[in-house]
Amino acid sequence: AQTVTQSQPEMSVQEAETVTLSCTYDTSESNYYLFWYKQPPSRQMILVIRQEAYKQQNATENRFSVNFQKAAKSFSLKISDSQLGDTAMYFCAFLNNAGNMLTFGGGTRLMVKP
Amino acid sequence: EPEVTQTPSHQVTQMGQEVILRCVPISNHLYFYWYRQILGQKVEFLVSFYNNEISEKSEIFDDQFSVERPDGSNFTLKIRSTKLEDSAMYFCASSRGQGLGSTEAFFGQGTRLTVV
Repeated sequence: AQTVTQSQPEMSVQEAETVTLSCTYDTSESNYYLFWYKQPPSRQMILVIRQEAYKQQNATENRFSVNFQKAAKSFSLKISDSQLGDTAMYFCAFLNNAGNMLTFGGGTRLMVKP
Repeated sequence: EPEVTQTPSHQVTQMGQEVILRCVPISNHLYFYWYRQILGQKVEFLVSFYNNEISEKSEIFDDQFSVERPDGSNFTLKIRSTKLEDSAMYFCASSRGQGLGSTEAFFGQGTRLTVV
């Protein structure tokens, strides 16, 4: 079974600054997919960024980028130029190679301060 | 833009009653999922469904839970005899399947289930 750990329950950052959210996971699979989801107060789950394990290049989506370290089983999310609208819960998630089970970490509550 | 829709948005039910949560996945998607999130806790996988059968399920998904795709568009989660601890937000999700770009799970807005 897979486990996903987010060691930072809460973080805060000043508007326009950069923040990094940590995620580690444990699996015996060699290929899989990793995601960061954002959950604003509305509780909708919104995909932020995805990474395929066999790709060495780190994924980037506008202000969001990841640092994927496969050997260390680490998948951190960097948010640059933080905006007030980035305030939300952020969940790291692992999708197995079969694509039939998405396992979430415990979440990090991010507060962006003006 | 296509989206996953869930009804109702909020359901209040008496303990011991049966409840059915409904979802309409995105039309060309092949994989369907149910997750739950107890308030303040992590999102937990319940079950995945593919090709009209359960593909994977967690230990949470016991005999009181069942899923069905009755008409090719709806995807339902039934809880036969609700308990207080079933109170949670239930999320439906769907994805096109495996492979680059098709593994992303799109989530519905959730159904808040309150068992009293």
